[in-house]
Amino acid sequence: DQQVKQNSPSLSVQEGRISILNCDYTNSMFDYFLWYKKYPAEGPTFLISISSIKDKNEDGRFTVFLNKSAKHLSLHIVPSQPGDSAVYFCAASAVSNTGKLIFGQGTTLQVKP
Amino acid sequence: EAQVTQNPRYLITVTGKKLTVTCSQNMNHEYMSWYRQDPGLGLRQIYYSMNVEVTDKGDVPEGYKVSRKEKRNFPLILESPSPNQTSLYFCASRSLGGDFDEQYFGPGTRLTVT
Repeated sequence: DQQVKQNSPSLSVQEGRISILNCDYTNSMFDYFLWYKKYPAEGPTFLISISSIKDKNEDGRFTVFLNKSAKHLSLHIVPSQPGDSAVYFCAASAVSNTGKLIFGQGTTLQVKP
Repeated sequence: EAQVTQNPRYLITVTGKKLTVTCSQNMNHEYMSWYRQDPGLGLRQIYYSMNVEVTDKGDVPEGYKVSRKEKRNFPLILESPSPNQTSLYFCASRSLGGDFDEQYFGPGTRLTVT
């Protein structure tokens, strides 16, 4: 049972445009959400996070939106750059179990020059 | 330099031959974890450890063992590997005083079991 789902395996956008990556979750106990970025032959690196007490968190070109009622979060990248081309993983954790982290399947983003 | 190291980076082995993938971190982190990455399934947590001698199962622990005898090391043991354990494995660590924002991942170990 996939508790965190990224239904789009891939996304292609033009440089300078907005990239929107989506993530859905089923477990209402999740209270902390993260996005990780992964380049080939490297481990994932943290990108941005959001707590369930917020509905938006912004860091430079990256913004994460959380819609708790819909159990949905999205990552917006504006403007997209070719260096953003990578696999993006959504992940979720719950304060009731701070050791577990549940990842989505990942979305491969390609930003075309 | 703060880092998580894994060895080996690549391994091809045969079914049933015991193997160990080592993981070491130099950040004095209490928390360490193992994940596997598979196409269409993303990253799935195998085991994690909140501190020395404290380990717990993640979502896919079957067929794996871990130990945490020292704070810096968290080896992943496959007692009898099978082809369905062919995967890309990542070790990670973070401080318990922080959150998963501060989780550092190793570079990965690509394992093939024939």
